[in-house]
Amino acid sequence: GESVGLHLPTLSVQEGDNSIINCAYSNSASDYFIWYKQESGKGPQFIIDIRSNMDKRQGQRVTVLLNKTVKHLSLQIAATQPGDSAVYFCAEARYGNNRLAFGKGNQVVVIP
Amino acid sequence: DTEVTQTPKHLVMGMTNKKSLKCEQHMGHRAMYWYKQKAKKPPELMFVYSYEKLSINESVPSRFSPECPNSSLLNLHLHALQPEDSALYLCASSQGQGNPPGGEAFFGQGTRLTVV
Repeated sequence: GESVGLHLPTLSVQEGDNSIINCAYSNSASDYFIWYKQESGKGPQFIIDIRSNMDKRQGQRVTVLLNKTVKHLSLQIAATQPGDSAVYFCAEARYGNNRLAFGKGNQVVVIP
Repeated sequence: DTEVTQTPKHLVMGMTNKKSLKCEQHMGHRAMYWYKQKAKKPPELMFVYSYEKLSINESVPSRFSPECPNSSLLNLHLHALQPEDSALYLCASSQGQGNPPGGEAFFGQGTRLTVV
């Protein structure tokens, strides 16, 4: 069962500031990493992905950084907006199978 | 059309009931997934269908029975569930082939299941 009082790590950020969300992954053999955003009452939504042979990838207002040495992934959101308030999950996968494994989520709360 | 549609959105069922969750996509994706998500937790993979064949079963109890009637549809049949099975059940689809693994996965809105 669930732990009473379980809380997600929460990042509170002022509107317009930059946000950084971190994720530690466990499988050094993972080939592919993805960030998902999940708003309340909705399914996860793809944000950006990165292959293991890259260390940085940029999208619209988002940047993903991959540090394979310490098995760390981060998502940077520029000029955070109220619509960015959500839970963010990192996920990892390997080529050759469709087993997409999610990491723990991080709650982002944008303060107007 | 980049939607994955799940029905019903909400479901309350008794422990002796039999019900089914349905999922549909028309993106031509060949991999479809069922995930279970408890509150404040990440989605947990249950099943993967690749080209309409079950390719991954993450040791899910037999009271959950997946079915893939065709490449656009995915069902999850439920029977004799327990209250601890109450959760958000998410369906997803992806290209299911090539590089990267699975491609971008699109998720439905989920079915909020309550077992009483």
